Formats: sequence, C-alpha cells, structure tokens
Amino acid sequence: GAGVSQTPSNKVTEKGKYVELRCDPISGHTALYWYRQSLGQGPEFLIYFQGTGAADDSGLPNDRFFAVRPEGSVSTLKIQRTERGDSAVYLCASSLMAPSNEQFFGPGTRLTVL
Amino acid sequence: QQQVKQSPQSLIVQKGGIPIINCAYENTAFDYFPWYQQFPGKGPALLIAIRPDVSEKKEGRFTISFNKSAKQFSLHIMDSQPGDSATYFCAASLSSGSARQLTFGSGTQLTVLP
Repeated sequence: GAGVSQTPSNKVTEKGKYVELRCDPISGHTALYWYRQSLGQGPEFLIYFQGTGAADDSGLPNDRFFAVRPEGSVSTLKIQRTERGDSAVYLCASSLMAPSNEQFFGPGTRLTVL
Repeated sequence: QQQVKQSPQSLIVQKGGIPIINCAYENTAFDYFPWYQQFPGKGPALLIAIRPDVSEKKEGRFTISFNKSAKQFSLHIMDSQPGDSATYFCAASLSSGSARQLTFGSGTQLTVLP
C-alpha cells in the first residue's frame, strides 16, 4: 500500500492481558516511530527505530511496553499486563532518513482496556 | 524544555474567514516545525512544515509564519472551508541525531461554519 498501515484498527482487552499492535511503514522508509494519543490530546512519543534498532525508547512509560522491528520494516508494539490507563490510540509513523523528518502517520489502533 | 504550547484550544470561524493557530516552543535546538491535520478516527496528516531559516512558508491556502527570536510559529488558513473543520496540531523536532521524535502541541479544534 501507499501509506502506513496499522492492525488491528480496534482492540478491546481485559486488564492484565497481553496485546500486540502491528505497524507496516511506507516502503523504503527506514525510520519508524510509535506514539500514543489520549482523548483530546496531541500524540506523545513512545519509541523510535532507525532500521532494526531502537534509536530512542525514552518515551516508553514503563517496562510493560516493548517494541521490535526485527527486519527493519514491520514493527510490533507489545504491552504486557495491560492496565485501564493504557487505553488510547496508538499511532505509528514512518519517515525517510535525515535530513527529511517528514513523518507520515497511520490510522492508529484504538486500544480499550476493560 | 521539550514542551510545545498551542492556542487556542478551539476556534469557530465563518466560511471564507482566516483562522490563526499559534504555537510556542522552548527548546532552541528544534529545527523542524510541522503542522498536522487530524479528522475524527484518522491519523494525523502532514499539512505543511517550516525550518527556522525562513520566516514564512505558503502552500496553497496554508501559511506558516515563524518568529525565531520569539520562539513562536503560527498557521493561517486562507479562505477557510467547512471541509477544513478538523483538529490541528503543531509540532517541533530535531531533524537529525537520535532524538528526532515530534513533540506535539495539545491541538486546536477548528470549526468552519457554512
């Protein structure tokens, strides 16, 4: 596809469960970002990949959150022992290498923790 | 140091009016300033972006004005249309290095009345 895709579009889970959210970036984009957007707020940074490695994971709120990008393309955000406060829209964005920092966002995954 | 402050929180204009949204940043190292448009249930879409070496950039009906000394930038929408009704986010980032994540403002909900 032409844009960033994310699956699933919606995920409802129970408190304490494990979830995985997937992101397919734009083909050829080496940089990949995860953000979290709470209702009525701007997106907040979680983690940034350059290629396969996490270049900056300073936005991950705690050790229940983890993300991988094993082949430098698709990325998976993993949340263990989900809590109700994890409910939000999780957005993925991709971009080319510097000097461009134009980040193109996917439609997001709406996570609801009951 | 990483905060981006956006105002107003909401804005209502008549069709043809020129809404203006303002942002202020703190980190003088930021060198990339994009604006995103977001419709309900969708991911943010890049509208226009500016770098601090210019004071104004225009693309179609959208104009960014940038004041480096005041650490402020604004979005103007010329000849606004009802289809422009959306939430607008300013953001700021570094364009190189490992800390390239976007820091977003809190958003402005724009309503353009027919």
